[in-house]
Amino acid sequence: QVQLQESGPGLVKPSQTLSLTCTVSGGSINTMSYYWSWIRQPAGKGLEWIGRIYTRGSTNYNPSLKSRVTISADTSKNQFSLNLSSVTAADMAVYYCARLYCSSTSCYKDFWGQGTLVTVSS
Amino acid sequence: QSALTQPASVSGSPGQSITISCTGTSSDVGTYNYVSWYQQHPGRAPKLMIYDVSKRPSGVSNRFSGSKSGNTASLTISGLQAEDEADYYCSSYTTSSTLVFGGGTKLTVL
Repeated sequence: QVQLQESGPGLVKPSQTLSLTCTVSGGSINTMSYYWSWIRQPAGKGLEWIGRIYTRGSTNYNPSLKSRVTISADTSKNQFSLNLSSVTAADMAVYYCARLYCSSTSCYKDFWGQGTLVTVSS
Repeated sequence: QSALTQPASVSGSPGQSITISCTGTSSDVGTYNYVSWYQQHPGRAPKLMIYDVSKRPSGVSNRFSGSKSGNTASLTISGLQAEDEADYYCSSYTTSSTLVFGGGTKLTVL
């Protein structure tokens, strides 16, 4: 059973960079057809897809966040990370990492982390 | 990219059936059969309920079903139970190789 766990600072100052890490257990992040995603949810609001990484060579980002987002992976640690620069109060949310399976015939997020709350405040 | 359109809320009595719609465009729902549905209880992570429009993951009740016509996908829950009360989100792959969510629908079991 794959498990994902988010970690990182729960408090970030405005204009600084939010950095989170997702540690994956029960499976390798370097597996064909599996992508690794970040999703966020502001309090009382809906889900927003941030982006994904395929450790075999690609990243895709939400166009609305693309200029501020970087997703990277460390296959030796079986982790992937999110960096979001120049944060404002609008970036306060619960941040989830999730496994995304995508092939030529299928695409869905099947395993999710429990989520981590990030507050933006000075 | 714009969020997929879902009704803000739906409700039904125990034992009844309800349907939640998810409307996108020809750039997402209309092009791919990669629509998935997620159930989220308060304070919990989303749970996959339907994927690839109409497939159910192992362990999900067959009371949950999905379908699609054109740019609109639908989630139907039959035999409503109190435990089904939750928020539901649709999601689709897009022609830009990104993913997009719906705004979410709050299901109330009366």
